[in-house]
Amino acid sequence: KNEVEQSPQNLTAQEGEFITINCSYSVGISALHWLQQHPGGGIVSLFMLSSGKKKHGRLIATINIQEKHSSLHITASHPRDSAVYICAVYNTDKLIFGTGTRLQVFP
Amino acid sequence: EPEVTQTPSHQVTQMGQEVILRCVPISNHLYFYWYRQILGQKVEFLVSFYNNEISEKSEIFDDQFSVERPDGSNFTLKIRSTKLEDSAMYFCATHGTGGAYGYTFGSGTRLTVV
Repeated sequence: KNEVEQSPQNLTAQEGEFITINCSYSVGISALHWLQQHPGGGIVSLFMLSSGKKKHGRLIATINIQEKHSSLHITASHPRDSAVYICAVYNTDKLIFGTGTRLQVFP
Repeated sequence: EPEVTQTPSHQVTQMGQEVILRCVPISNHLYFYWYRQILGQKVEFLVSFYNNEISEKSEIFDDQFSVERPDGSNFTLKIRSTKLEDSAMYFCATHGTGGAYGYTFGSGTRLTVV
């Protein structure tokens, strides 16, 4: 069983839709990252959370430590949001990654 | 914004050859990592490095792999005798003293073993 599970694996949306990506984990963590990976392969950190909620532009990330669950929301989605979104948890001295959610937003 | 720089961006090598992947961390970062991503799979941890020594390594990081910081700036991953299954994207990542805060990834080196 994967220590970090994401759902859905694939997601398609029309421009303007509200998007939610979920992440559950089974290990102890000190922090959780939401990352974005574009087709070229590069990884960009979107958020680092240890509690509560963070907002950056149209992106909102929440975490519930007791339930070991985090969500990434995208409001008013746009085709440029198309990418793979990855949840990764910081455990001991390393990140443990989820398998990613591939998002495609169509005009 | 400070960047983690990786070179080369793409390397093709013959099976059995040695390769060295290079990373220039952000200047005040002290914690260094290598991760890899085989095509179509999730990113996997290889090794963490702090204070000039390995602090944790995965099962993947066997005797064919080594890391060092030879000149106090570059952070290198050496694969001694490459295998076909070493073909992957290799990412360097670093962060400062704030724990997981400020985690920054390099743009990756795509290694193809033929």
